Amino acid sequence: ETGVTQTPRHLVMGMTNKKSLKCEQHLGHNAMYWYKQSAKKPLELMFVYNFKEQTENNSVPSRFSPECPNSSHLFLHLHTLQPEDSALYLCASGDKDHETQYFGPGTRLLVL
Amino acid sequence: AQKVTQAQTEISVVEKEDVTLDCVYETRDTTYYLFWYKQPPSGELVFLIRRNSFDEQNEISGRYSWNFQKSTSSFNFTITASQVVDSAVYFCALSEVNYGGATNKLIFGTGTLLAVQP
Repeated sequence: ETGVTQTPRHLVMGMTNKKSLKCEQHLGHNAMYWYKQSAKKPLELMFVYNFKEQTENNSVPSRFSPECPNSSHLFLHLHTLQPEDSALYLCASGDKDHETQYFGPGTRLLVL
Repeated sequence: AQKVTQAQTEISVVEKEDVTLDCVYETRDTTYYLFWYKQPPSGELVFLIRRNSFDEQNEISGRYSWNFQKSTSSFNFTITASQVVDSAVYFCALSEVNYGGATNKLIFGTGTLLAVQP
């Protein structure tokens, strides 16, 4: 596989469920990002990891919990979400100078 | 504060027409990067171009061309002889330049939906 992959591509969950989104990058990058894309709103940066360390938490509610076990993998753990959390969640990785971010295909999440 | 404005929400053209997508940005930084990404219906954001604020040369890549005007804080994107496959949402983005290995934050515009009709 090449580039940035995300699984699952689609997810439907109830408000009491716990689920995880997975992102994997095969580009040798050191920085990884989670973004949220809601309808009619700009992309919102959620979390940034650099060399496995979280460097940015953009005031994200605690029901979203990121995990970065190594520079190639990034997870977003979800629990007790709300319907307004329904969105496309995009993962990205950054190149050697962190100038350009390369995105995965996203996970379309629907919270019922 | 940094901001990116894409005033065109939706554009519809007929195949083979030329189309220009506008992007205006605001930043107090003297060094920054500008980007364009394409988001087809599949959802993935596809990187198209990165421009350094010191380089105002226009760039052409096949049917795509970019016009960077620092004096007007604009970074417009033109598709020549549009095709149906160009239909997508196009995002302009801005990031500051971080030194010392820190990560860059991308500030995105709200995107322009381009529909190319056959």
